[in-house]
Amino acid sequence: TQLLEQSPQFLSIQEGENLTVYCNSSSVFSSLQWYRQEPGEGPVLLVTVVTGGEVKKLKRLTFQFGDARKDSSLHITAAQTGDTGLYLCAGVRAGGTSYGKLTFGQGTILTVHP
Amino acid sequence: DTGVSQDPRHKITKRGQNVTFRCDPISEHNRLYWYRQTLGQGPEFLTYFQNEAQLEKSRLLSDRFSAERPKGSFSTLEIQRTEQGDSAMYLCASSLGVQGALEETQYFGPGTRLLVL
Repeated sequence: TQLLEQSPQFLSIQEGENLTVYCNSSSVFSSLQWYRQEPGEGPVLLVTVVTGGEVKKLKRLTFQFGDARKDSSLHITAAQTGDTGLYLCAGVRAGGTSYGKLTFGQGTILTVHP
Repeated sequence: DTGVSQDPRHKITKRGQNVTFRCDPISEHNRLYWYRQTLGQGPEFLTYFQNEAQLEKSRLLSDRFSAERPKGSFSTLEIQRTEQGDSAMYLCASSLGVQGALEETQYFGPGTRLLVL
């Protein structure tokens, strides 16, 4: 059983459409991060959220951290072909280590068609 | 380029052989992490170094795996007597960690893709 359940696993949409990726857990996280990974490369950090209810925007991307710090979502508005990639959520469990050991979700493979 | 580098980028080996991977973190980053990622999955934590001290090892890291970070700079991950199940992408990440800080940015290297035949 994954500690962080990410859904959907696959998403195929047309350019211009909106989409939302979800990351859910029964555990509380002190921080949660979203990464994007290109084939053959390491993950690249998009955003970190640390406060329950926090919303962060990065151009067309909106990230939300749940009030209880157990879940998060990534919303992309007007998707572009350049958004294609693997999106990963990852968190540092609350009450765990004093360092940033990350627990990752399974990832969402997003394909945006022209 | 001053990012995290890993070498080699790809490694093909026969079952039973030993392999060693190297990670060069961003200069002056005190924290270094190794993760393993199999196809279609997110990365899984393997081990963590604070400077030269290895402070945590995952249960995923069997006795065939050993990692070092001499002098608190580069790190190596060795797998002895490789098995087909070891085939995966091995990722290294480094960060400048501050005790008690909630936000810690880990910078990932490009990974070493291992294929065990």
